Amino acid sequence: AQSVTQPDIHITVSEGASLELRCNYSYGATPYLFWYVQSPGQGLQLLLKYFSGDTLVQGIKGFEAEFKRSQSSFNLRKPSVHWSDAAEYFCAVEGGSQGNLIFGKGTKLSVKP
Amino acid sequence: SAVISQKPSRDICQRGTSLTIQCQVDSQVTMMFWYRQQPGQSLTLIATANQGSEATYESGFVIDKFPISRPNLTFSTLTVSNMSPEDSSIYLCSVPASGGTEAFFGQGTRLTVV
Repeated sequence: AQSVTQPDIHITVSEGASLELRCNYSYGATPYLFWYVQSPGQGLQLLLKYFSGDTLVQGIKGFEAEFKRSQSSFNLRKPSVHWSDAAEYFCAVEGGSQGNLIFGKGTKLSVKP
Repeated sequence: SAVISQKPSRDICQRGTSLTIQCQVDSQVTMMFWYRQQPGQSLTLIATANQGSEATYESGFVIDKFPISRPNLTFSTLTVSNMSPEDSSIYLCSVPASGGTEAFFGQGTRLTVV
């Protein structure tokens, strides 16, 4: 069965520091992968997605993610974190032909001044 | 793209009562999904709502507790029945990401049962 693992529950970084959020997936075929961000009291916003092609995907707000098939990973990165990036981040894989998503448990990002 | 309007955005309900959440999409979609996000947890799929047929529920969710309506291709409702404090969650509707497009989500309904 498809699954997504985000091993880090909570990460704290200093403003201006680089960020990497980990995501590992289990999927039999070529996965469709997503990163979403959920700010407090807000809905889910898509940061970026991977379907095929270039394994380095650029997203909004300066985020990027790299798909590594050999490691079954899709880690999210940002070179310099801003205080407004504090939020919950969810990695997801498309679960099947119906298009529903399977989410990881999320990583809460805190940014310290 | 799709714009999803979900309401209410939040509610506080007494245990034993029911709440119906509405989800309106600005375009016609074949399937809609309902997710639950319990406090501090990830999103879990409750059911898939298909127009013209009964909803398909995931393991652990039943129609008596979470009845769903899908009267047309742009609208769906989810009812949380006979609520208990354990039902306190954020409920989100979504239209699917299929074959290369993103999934779109409503803003969510934050439900607190007291």
